[in-house]
Amino acid sequence: ETGVTQSPTHLIKTRGQQVTLRCSSQSGHNTVSWYQQALGQGPQFIFQYYREEENGRGNFPPRFSGLQFPNYSSELNVNALELDDSALYLCASSADSFTDTQYFGPGTRLTVL
Amino acid sequence: QQQVKQSPQSLIVQKGGISIINCAYENTAFDYFPWYQQFPGKGPALLIAIRPDVSEKKEGRFTISFNKSAKQFSLHIMDSQPGDSATYFCAASSVSGTYKYIFGTGTRLKVLA
Repeated sequence: ETGVTQSPTHLIKTRGQQVTLRCSSQSGHNTVSWYQQALGQGPQFIFQYYREEENGRGNFPPRFSGLQFPNYSSELNVNALELDDSALYLCASSADSFTDTQYFGPGTRLTVL
Repeated sequence: QQQVKQSPQSLIVQKGGISIINCAYENTAFDYFPWYQQFPGKGPALLIAIRPDVSEKKEGRFTISFNKSAKQFSLHIMDSQPGDSATYFCAASSVSGTYKYIFGTGTRLKVLA
């Protein structure tokens, strides 16, 4: 059974650019949640995808968007990058949207210059 | 009402000692309380979790104590080891919140050899 994987590991972008982060959920899991973790802070919920549909969203602007594919992998897209978007972006998968246990990937470290 | 307050911010414990981290919440709809361990540059790893129908759960050296009336829960690490040095996050979630996690701000634990 493979765990949650994320790519890339690190990414450097400049302000105003767009970025796409990727996540492969744990085998057998159909629900993916994305979190933003600023340095020294706890993760903040961005949104969740269940069976390719958005299933809940945190307090993030529309320039944060996502997708989930038929194989339940997921993308997080961020447009018009701002300096404050610099953070560790975490993907977590769970067996389904009614299961509370989430398993996190290693994260993608995004730096916006 | 959605916050989870975690204390202390940092903790130094001697090897073999007991590490205690506390969390408090306001929203009585929360019904799942996990603890995560995070090493620098890594994603959070699930340590142990509890539901409100029990007051204590133990797994190895890790114990969660839960006080529903006080809306507080704590993590106890017995026989703390240098390898336990990491940042620990409590979290809370509820089915009405699509199982998104509300995380505490984290406790940086250092266990001295």
